[in-house]
Amino acid sequence: AQKVTQAQTEISVVEKEDVTLDCVYETRDTTYYLFWYKQPPSGELVFLIRRNSFDEQNEISGRYSWNFQKSTSSFNFTITASQVVDSAVYFCALSSDKIIFGKGTRLHILP
Amino acid sequence: DAGVIQSPRHEVTEMGQEVTLRCKPISGHNSLFWYRQTMMRGLELLIYFNNNVPIDDSGMPEDRFSAKMPNASFSTLKIQPSEPRDSAVYFCASSPSGTLFGGELFFGEGSRLTVL
Repeated sequence: AQKVTQAQTEISVVEKEDVTLDCVYETRDTTYYLFWYKQPPSGELVFLIRRNSFDEQNEISGRYSWNFQKSTSSFNFTITASQVVDSAVYFCALSSDKIIFGKGTRLHILP
Repeated sequence: DAGVIQSPRHEVTEMGQEVTLRCKPISGHNSLFWYRQTMMRGLELLIYFNNNVPIDDSGMPEDRFSAKMPNASFSTLKIQPSEPRDSAVYFCASSPSGTLFGGELFFGEGSRLTVL
């Protein structure tokens, strides 16, 4: 069975702090994809990144970075120098024969 | 380029009424997904289509729910009769051609349904 666990339900940090959102997944498939989506207060989910199971390279995009470790089945997301606009719910998702979303982490960036 | 368009954005109805939610995917996208989001259950995949054909509807809660995709540019999700526990935000998402589950999802703004 596939499963995505985002253990952090809610996180609050002060602006400019770094914050890491955890994602642990379970799958028996050898080929799969991992995603992160952002859901701002407006409600629409926005795609952030996709990784396939054969590409463990970490990725950096501006203040965002992702750490994919197959050994620990984790795909963590770090925001560096957080800003108030980063406040949102962030979802990790796993995709092989179905797309499964985690329950999300609500991130509050305090000014 | 227009994104995924959903209507209505908000719907308030009474128990027992029929509800129809509509979705226009992004032109050229081959896959379409319907999700339901609630506080308790998070994001649940209800059904998905590939090239207008329903592939898996195992996520549809019960027979009161049905979905169609008559053409590549339109899909509907119908609930008949509606019940208060159907209250949720319903999202439609489309994905470009390629691996069915490898592409990123482009979500609409959602339809917030309240059943009284």
